Amino acid sequence: AQKVTQAQTEISVVEKEDVTLDCVYETRDTTYYLFWYKQPPSGELVFLIRRNSFDEQNEISGRYSWNFQKSTSSFNFTITASQVVDSAVYFCALSHILTGGGNKLTFGTGTQLKVEL
Amino acid sequence: DGGITQSPKYLFRKEGQNVTLSCEQNLNHDAMYWYRQDPGQGLRLIYYSQIVNDFQKGDIAEGYSVSREKKESFPLTVTSAQKNPTAFYLCASSTAGSPSNEQFFGPGTRLTVL
Repeated sequence: AQKVTQAQTEISVVEKEDVTLDCVYETRDTTYYLFWYKQPPSGELVFLIRRNSFDEQNEISGRYSWNFQKSTSSFNFTITASQVVDSAVYFCALSHILTGGGNKLTFGTGTQLKVEL
Repeated sequence: DGGITQSPKYLFRKEGQNVTLSCEQNLNHDAMYWYRQDPGQGLRLIYYSQIVNDFQKGDIAEGYSVSREKKESFPLTVTSAQKNPTAFYLCASSTAGSPSNEQFFGPGTRLTVL
C-alpha cells in the first residue's frame, strides 16, 4: 500500500523567512514518481515539480528547491524568502504506475502555509 | 485557452437526490480522474479513466458513478447511496503513456447536501 505523510498541518512564517515543508512516503514500487502541488484559496491545484525514483539530484527553481532522499523516503520542499503570495496548501503526492500507462496518485493531507507581513 | 472546466462551482442537493458534476477538458488528454477533498484531508481518488469507454474504480468509489463516452468529458454522478457527499470535488486529466506526466486540475465543485 502507498502512503504519504505530511506531518506539518500548518506553518506560519513572516515574509522573507525560509520555510521547509516535509514529505515522507511509503511504497513497495521500485519505480515511482513524486510530485508537489500548490492549492491556493481558489481551490485549483497547481503542479510545481515531479521527481522520479532514480533521480536524487536536488533541484532549485527560483525561490523553490527540493530535496529528495531515497534512503529516508523523503521529498522535502523549501521556499526561500517567502512571500505573502506563497500562502496556500501544499500537497505532496506519490504515483503508482498503472498498466497501460499513466499513474494513480496518492496524496498527503497537505500543509497549510501562511506567510504574514 | 487550454484547460479543464468544472461546473457548477457550487452545488446544493437535498438528501436522497442524485446529482451530476461536469468535467470537460480541451487538452487532448487521454486520462481523466475524479478526486474528493474533505477538510484536513488530502485528495482521495474516486474514479479514473485512461481511455474512452473505459474507467476504473479508485479508492472510494462507493456511491459514485461515471461515464466516459467522449475523450473530452468525464461526468461524475453522486448517487443517494453516497452517505456523506458534502465535499470539494476535483477533476483532473493527464496524457497517458508515461507515468511521469503530471495531472492538471480543474477549479473544483463544492457540493453541499442540505
